[in-house]
Amino acid sequence: ILNVEQSPQSLHVQEGDSTNFTCSFPSSNFYALHWYRWETAKSPEALFVMTLNGDEKKKGRISATLNTKEGYSYLYIKGSQPEDSATYLCAPSGNTGKLIFGQGTTLQVKP
Amino acid sequence: DARVTQTPRHKVTEMGQEVTMRCQPILGHNTVFWYRQTMMQGLELLAYFRNRAPLDDSGMPKDRFSAEMPDATLATLKIQPSEPRDSAVYFCASGLGGGDTQYFGPGTRLTVL
Repeated sequence: ILNVEQSPQSLHVQEGDSTNFTCSFPSSNFYALHWYRWETAKSPEALFVMTLNGDEKKKGRISATLNTKEGYSYLYIKGSQPEDSATYLCAPSGNTGKLIFGQGTTLQVKP
Repeated sequence: DARVTQTPRHKVTEMGQEVTMRCQPILGHNTVFWYRQTMMQGLELLAYFRNRAPLDDSGMPKDRFSAEMPDATLATLKIQPSEPRDSAVYFCASGLGGGDTQYFGPGTRLTVL
C-alpha cells in the first residue's frame, strides 16, 4: 500500500466548530484502516481500527467512517475543543500488520 | 496499565559513536515495530518483527543500522557509526499482528552532534 494522502495538511478552527479530515488510500490489498492522534512531544495514540466497508466508529466527540471500495476514510470531530489540538494520522495496512502512515492533518483549535 | 517502554528517553552523542535503543513491548504482543519520526518523512517504518523474527527491514539503512529481538521482552535498534542525519525521535510499537492496533512507546530522542 503506497500513496496515503491526508487532507487538509493543517486546519485552524475555533472552539465549538465541527471539523472533518480525509484519508485517501489505494483500495487494493486493503486489510484495515487505523486512525491515530498525535500530540506534540508525545507518542501516537490509537483512536480507531476499521476493517469493513461502511464501518463507522465513535469515541466521544470523534467519529470515523470507512469506504474501502473507493479508498477513503473520514474523521469527524464535533464541537472541537482546545484539547483536540493534535496531528491526526491515518494508516492503512495489509494483512502483514505493516502500517503505512499518511503525513497527517494538524488541527489547531483556538479557544 | 500495560505500556510499551523505551530507553533511553533522550540520547546525545557524537558522530561516529554507537547508539543502542531498547524497547520492551507489551507482554503478550508478538509484533514489534521500529519507526523514526523526521520532519520530511513523518513516521517512517524502519523494521518490524513477528514472534521475534525480522519480517521487513527495508526501511533501514543496512550499512549502519541493525535491529534485533534477543527475546520476547526486548527489542533493540543499534546505529554504528551514528551520523548527524540520524538525529530524530525513534519510536517502538507493539501489537498482535494482522490489522491489530499498534501501541507506541514514548520514543527515544536521539541527537548526534
